[in-house]
Amino acid sequence: NAGVTQTPKFQVLKTGQSMTLQCAQDMNHNSMYWYRQDPGMGLRLIYYSASEGTTDKGEVPNGYNVSRLNKREFSLRLESAAPSQTSVYFCASGTGVYYNEQFFGPGTRLTVL
Amino acid sequence: AQSVSQHNHHVILSEAASLELGCNYSYGGTVNLFWYVQYPGQHLQLLLKYFSGDPLVKGIKGFEAEFIKSKFSFNLRKPSVQWSDTAEYFCAVNARGYGGSQGNLIFGKGTKLSVKP
Repeated sequence: NAGVTQTPKFQVLKTGQSMTLQCAQDMNHNSMYWYRQDPGMGLRLIYYSASEGTTDKGEVPNGYNVSRLNKREFSLRLESAAPSQTSVYFCASGTGVYYNEQFFGPGTRLTVL
Repeated sequence: AQSVSQHNHHVILSEAASLELGCNYSYGGTVNLFWYVQYPGQHLQLLLKYFSGDPLVKGIKGFEAEFIKSKFSFNLRKPSVQWSDTAEYFCAVNARGYGGSQGNLIFGKGTKLSVKP
């Protein structure tokens, strides 16, 4: 039981390049989330998916897109990376709606030059 | 908009000292409350959670937190810290039913704890 896995662990991009961050969970959770973590800012929600087939914007969605490929997988895409997107990205999956405990992946450290 | 405040940005303690980290939230309705810990270079791990019932919640590694509804607070405590408790601690709130929330968590900005051996 791997929990929540993310690839890659590290990535360096040049401004304007695109990339997709992958996330998978094996806990049979319906909900999945993408956060970014910046120093002194805590975690901020980018996008979430309450169930397979649905996605919604979070607090900071600009510059990102997501795909809920199936119940296990939730990817985050940067179409044209900008230096402001340099951050650590965490994927999480959640146990429910009202009693929602979230489990986090190991993170992807992204640097945009 | 709902918010979570953690009052201390960086706390420095010596081993065996007692710890209390403050957390306040702004939502007036029913909430679920969490404390997560992030050790250096690692992902977030759940320390403890409150859904309902006894407002004094015990978590892993000797941590506990008390939910005080009248003060909108959920402070984290540990009687005696160890060097291995050095980490960043995040308070998070799920404001149940707020704006059609799908169990989304609102995180505080975190408190870094440094424990001197």
